[in-house]
Amino acid sequence: QQQVRQSPQSLTVWEGGTTVLTCSYEDSTFNYFPWYQQFPGEGPALLISILSVSDKKEDGRFTTFFNKREKKLSLHIIDSQPGDSATYFCAASSGSWQLIFGSGTQLTVMP
Amino acid sequence: GPKVLQIPSHQIIDMGQMVTLNCDPVSNHLYFYWYKQILGQQMEFLVNFYNGKVMEKSKLFKDQFSVERPDGSYFTLKIQPTALEDSAVYFCASSQAGGGQNTLYFGAGTRLSVL
Repeated sequence: QQQVRQSPQSLTVWEGGTTVLTCSYEDSTFNYFPWYQQFPGEGPALLISILSVSDKKEDGRFTTFFNKREKKLSLHIIDSQPGDSATYFCAASSGSWQLIFGSGTQLTVMP
Repeated sequence: GPKVLQIPSHQIIDMGQMVTLNCDPVSNHLYFYWYKQILGQQMEFLVNFYNGKVMEKSKLFKDQFSVERPDGSYFTLKIQPTALEDSAVYFCASSQAGGGQNTLYFGAGTRLSVL
């Protein structure tokens, strides 16, 4: 079934803390998993992505982990900053034209 | 970074009328998409468009929906006639290359309210 489940729906962390967002899926044909970041009034923008042949990808303070066996992925933000406050969407694709999106996590980083 | 512009940001329309949502994609992009997001739910794929043709569409892309990009101008989504369940935020996106592993650049969305 082509669904991507994302949790939590909302999350508040303190500045400097580590944020962890998670997603799970069922379709084993998914092989590409991007994370999109959306600020209020703007469109979602690609933050980081991972292919199913990898289990970890890092970009600065952002790291995404992929567990093929458990069909789970996660996004870790270390040293979270107030400027990271946004909505984060995980997504998945099996190589067709469409991305299957999760429902999003609204992150608030308190100073 | 590259910007996708969507016009208008909010559209209010009476049920049964026609509406056209406009999207100005990134200038050198060739692949165009529409996604629909009902309040509180995830974004869902509607359609992908390339070289003047619909490449793939979902079951949400009803017969009342159509897309076009005449002469390299706006990429448009037309709904005729509109229904109450069409109320949602519609996101346009574009990409330089095709296929599910390419970066999509999204606009800020058009909120459509059908009364």
